[in-house]
Amino acid sequence: NAGVTQTPKFRILKIGQSMTLQCTQDMNHNYMYWYRQDPGMGLKLIYYSVGAGITDKGEVPNGYNVSRSTTEDFPLRLELAAPSQTSVYFCASSGQGPGELFFGEGSRLTVL
Amino acid sequence: AQSVTQLGSHVSVSEGALVLLRCNYSSSVPPYLFWYVQYPNQGLQLLLKYTTGATLVKGINGFEAEFKKSETSFHLTKPSAHMSDAAEYFCAVIQSNFGNEKLTFGTGTRLTIIP
Repeated sequence: NAGVTQTPKFRILKIGQSMTLQCTQDMNHNYMYWYRQDPGMGLKLIYYSVGAGITDKGEVPNGYNVSRSTTEDFPLRLELAAPSQTSVYFCASSGQGPGELFFGEGSRLTVL
Repeated sequence: AQSVTQLGSHVSVSEGALVLLRCNYSSSVPPYLFWYVQYPNQGLQLLLKYTTGATLVKGINGFEAEFKKSETSFHLTKPSAHMSDAAEYFCAVIQSNFGNEKLTFGTGTRLTIIP
């Protein structure tokens, strides 16, 4: 039972490069989320989706884009990477009750 | 808008001692409250939740939390700490209106267990 799977686990980018963080879940959950975690700051919501074809901005969406073409997949796109995007990114899904999120193991991104 | 405040970014307790992690919430409507735990190099996992009903809720690994409306608090406790409890703990809140699935997290409390 895979749950929520994120790739890659680690990535180093140069300033101005672009990349996509992949997230897939096998629990048939409607809700999916992208959070970033910075030391001492907790988790901040970047984007979320309530179902295929529907996405919306969270608290810190600038510099990111998402799409949700299927129930399973929710990729996060970073355009023109900046050092401020150095962080650990978590994908999560929910479908069993409000606030009951299942998290992936995270993707650690460094922008130099 | 709802929010949570976790008092103490670092807490250290001796093995076998009481664990108390503090969380206060702010919400204009009755909240749903959660505690999540994050072990090193892992994602978060749900420890326990309060939605409605009994104000004392029990979670996994012997943890429990009590919802106190008069104090706007949802503190996490465990009677006897174990070395395996060393982790970071996050309090979170969601407004209890149907369809709002966005959790707001606190800044976290790192728990260290002293042998």
